[in-house]
Amino acid sequence: AQKITQTQPGMFVQEKEAVTLDCTYDTSDQSYGLFWYKQPSSGEMIFLIYQGSYDEQNATEGRYSLNFQKARKSANLVISASQLGDSAMYFCAMREGSKAAGNKLTFGGGTRVLVKP
Amino acid sequence: DVKVTQSSRYLVKRTGEKVFLECVQDMDHENMFWYRQDPGLGLRLIYFSYDVKMKEKGDIPEGYSVSREKKERFSLILESASTNQTSMYLCASSLGSGRAYNEQFFGPGTRLTVL
Repeated sequence: AQKITQTQPGMFVQEKEAVTLDCTYDTSDQSYGLFWYKQPSSGEMIFLIYQGSYDEQNATEGRYSLNFQKARKSANLVISASQLGDSAMYFCAMREGSKAAGNKLTFGGGTRVLVKP
Repeated sequence: DVKVTQSSRYLVKRTGEKVFLECVQDMDHENMFWYRQDPGLGLRLIYFSYDVKMKEKGDIPEGYSVSREKKERFSLILESASTNQTSMYLCASSLGSGRAYNEQFFGPGTRLTVL
């Protein structure tokens, strides 16, 4: 079974609207971390946001927020007020085990977002 | 700012050639990683290293080897390149400890084509 599943291969969003990117994960560890990365067409991977499994609050970073539903094993990324520069590939990733165990990441297949003016 | 550099952005090699992909980071990170990225599959971990001269297999190590002789440098080696190794290769680094989380910092990638 896939450890990280992103079911939306691609999506369009209107500029200034919010968009939600889905991510579900599978792990039997109690301690884990969830990351979102952005990859523009230039190719570099940009870290966006992190959620720890024990964090009680949903993570937020500027226009990015993570809708963490632990029981459902989902960690959806919400981008508010989309901008043209948000057009990119977005990857969800998981680190299993504690930080001390090292931070190997498992990535999902990605979602391509295209923001329309 | 952390900087991770990779020796080439684009590389074209022939089947059977030995290929070296070099990665250098300038922030004294303990951890370094090599991934390959293919459409629809996301990034898959090939090898990683927690320290100099240490290496561990990732999810798809077959056909690859690595070398970490210095802390800042992590090399990926394709001993005998094959066409199914045509892909985008991404190097990343991260701190070993000391923060609540340790995000990985990525290089710009090397697009390798094996003919």
